[in-house]
Formats: sequence, structure tokens, C-alpha cells
Amino acid sequence: AQTVTQSQPEMSVQEAETVTLSCTYDTSENNYYLFWYKQPPSRQMILVIRQEAYKQQNATENRFSVNFQKAAKSFSLKISDSQLGDTAMYFCAFMKPDDKIIFGKGTRLHILP
Amino acid sequence: GAGVSQSPSNKVTEKGKDVELRCDPISGHTALYWYRQSLGQGLEFLIYFQGNSAPDKSGLPSDRFSAERTGGSVSTLTIQRTQQEDSAVYLCASSFTGFQPQHFGDGTRLSIL
Repeated sequence: AQTVTQSQPEMSVQEAETVTLSCTYDTSENNYYLFWYKQPPSRQMILVIRQEAYKQQNATENRFSVNFQKAAKSFSLKISDSQLGDTAMYFCAFMKPDDKIIFGKGTRLHILP
Repeated sequence: GAGVSQSPSNKVTEKGKDVELRCDPISGHTALYWYRQSLGQGLEFLIYFQGNSAPDKSGLPSDRFSAERTGGSVSTLTIQRTQQEDSAVYLCASSFTGFQPQHFGDGTRLSIL
């Protein structure tokens, strides 16, 4: 069975700093997808970034980028130039094609003014 | 609408009552998922529909929980004889089949008194 582990329950950084959220996963699959979702207090789950396992290049979306290490089964999220609006719960997630998403327990990120 | 719609947004009911939660997925999305999120926790998978069939019901916590989907569109999650431990936010998501990420609704916050 697949598992997703986020080892940082809570983090705080100053506005404009860079922060990295950790995620590791366990799977015997070779073809899968990894995601980072953001959940602000409004509780809407918002897709931040996704990575296909077959792609070696790390995904990037504006200030958000990932460090995908397939052999190490690691998928960290880097937020550059952090903003107050980045304050939220961040969930790392794993998905096989045509299957359910398996979520980590989340990291609560506070961006301090 | 443009996104996944869930109703009601909040539901308060007495222990022992039955409740129905509704999810209206994005038009054209064949896959539909239900998740449960307890306070401060990650998302727990409940059930997955592909069209009207449910190939994966493995997450339903007890036989008090059931779900159906009609016409390949709207889904209803029913909880019979509710218990206090059923209190949570119930999130629905939909996607095109295959390698597409899931789009989430705003959830239904269920409170059992």
C-alpha cells in the first residue's frame, strides 16, 4: 500500500523568505503522480503543483517549485518570496492513474508579516 | 457551474438521524471521489466512482455509509444512524479519467450533536 509522510506538522516563516516543505512517499509503482494541494481557512482544496513520475524535470509554477527525487521517494515543495496569502495547510499527495489520491497529514504553514 | 458544487455547506443534526450529502461534479468529469477530513487532520478516502459504478468502496468506514451516483453526474453520500464520530468535513472531487488531477468542492461540514 502507498503511504505519504509529511514530517513537519507546522512551520512559520517571515514574509518574503523562502520555505521548503518536506514529503516522502512509499510505493512499488513506477507510473504515478505527485501533487501539492493548498487548503486555506476557506477549506477549498487548491492544486498548487503536480509532477508526473516519468518526468525527470522538476515542476515549477511561478513561485512554487518541487524537488522530485524518485529514487529517494522524496517530493519537497519550495515556496519562494513567500506571501501572507500563502498561509494555509499544505498536503502532499500521491496518485496512481485512475485511482484515488492518498494524502499526507499536512503541514500548517504560517507566513508572518 | 464551473467548479464542483457541494450541498449543503453546513449540516447540523442529532445523533441517530440519517443525512444526505450531495455532490455535483464538473460537467464532463467521469470520475468522482468522496473524502472525509476530521478536524485538523488530512483527507481520508471514502469511495470512488467511475461513471455510475464504484470500483473502489474500500474507504467507507462502516455499513452506515453508502453512496450512489446517477446519470454519471450527481452523487449522494448517505450516512445512516449518525454518530458523533461522523462529525467532519466531507469533500467531493471530480476529474477526467486518467492522468488528470482532481478538482475539489468546498465541502460539507457535518456536525452531529
